[in-house]
Amino acid sequence: AQRVTQPEKLLSVFKGAPVELKCNYSYSGSPELFWYVQYSRQRLQLLLRHISRESIKGFTADLNKGETSFHLKKPFAQEEDSAMYYCALLIYNQGGKLIFGQGTELSVKP
Amino acid sequence: DSGVTQTPKHLITATGQRVTLRCSPRSGDLSVYWYQQSLDQGLQFLIQYYNGEERAKGNILERFSAQQFPDLHSELNLSSLELGDSALYFCASSTDRVGSVLTFGAGSRLTVL
Repeated sequence: AQRVTQPEKLLSVFKGAPVELKCNYSYSGSPELFWYVQYSRQRLQLLLRHISRESIKGFTADLNKGETSFHLKKPFAQEEDSAMYYCALLIYNQGGKLIFGQGTELSVKP
Repeated sequence: DSGVTQTPKHLITATGQRVTLRCSPRSGDLSVYWYQQSLDQGLQFLIQYYNGEERAKGNILERFSAQQFPDLHSELNLSSLELGDSALYFCASSTDRVGSVLTFGAGSRLTVL
């Protein structure tokens, strides 16, 4: 079955601490994975995608096919990183659809 | 605003009723996606249209239907509403047919009483 799992509903860290938001996926095809973020009172928006292999706002994510994971990491969390983070997997089937994990709320305390 | 526009923002209705949610995609985007977000289910993919044609379907109930019009706007029709249909309904659009990068609307919050 195609599935995205984010095991943590809430992750709370202090400013300056490292952050790792976990994401595991299940997909028989070649995975294409994304992280979307929703800041308070803002729309859901793309944070990064694995094929870009880029760092956005200090966040990085590496696809690990062996562990079927795509964890989101940042070495030093900032208060403005507080938001809801969703991991997403692109499923190709004629068209395409993004399936999302349940989301992890990141709270960065001062 | 050239982003994704959804109307109405909020809607309160009774069980058994029918509602229509409307979405205008970002200028130039041909694909429209509908998602349902409820507290217990998270973001659930409902359906995708590309240039007027249905391309992908998720766990969309038979009571729900959607279409994309020639001007590319889309409507999601929800009928015989139940309490459990109360949710945020998001529309998103993308330039391509596979939805690799989505631009989301602000959502329509439906409350069924």
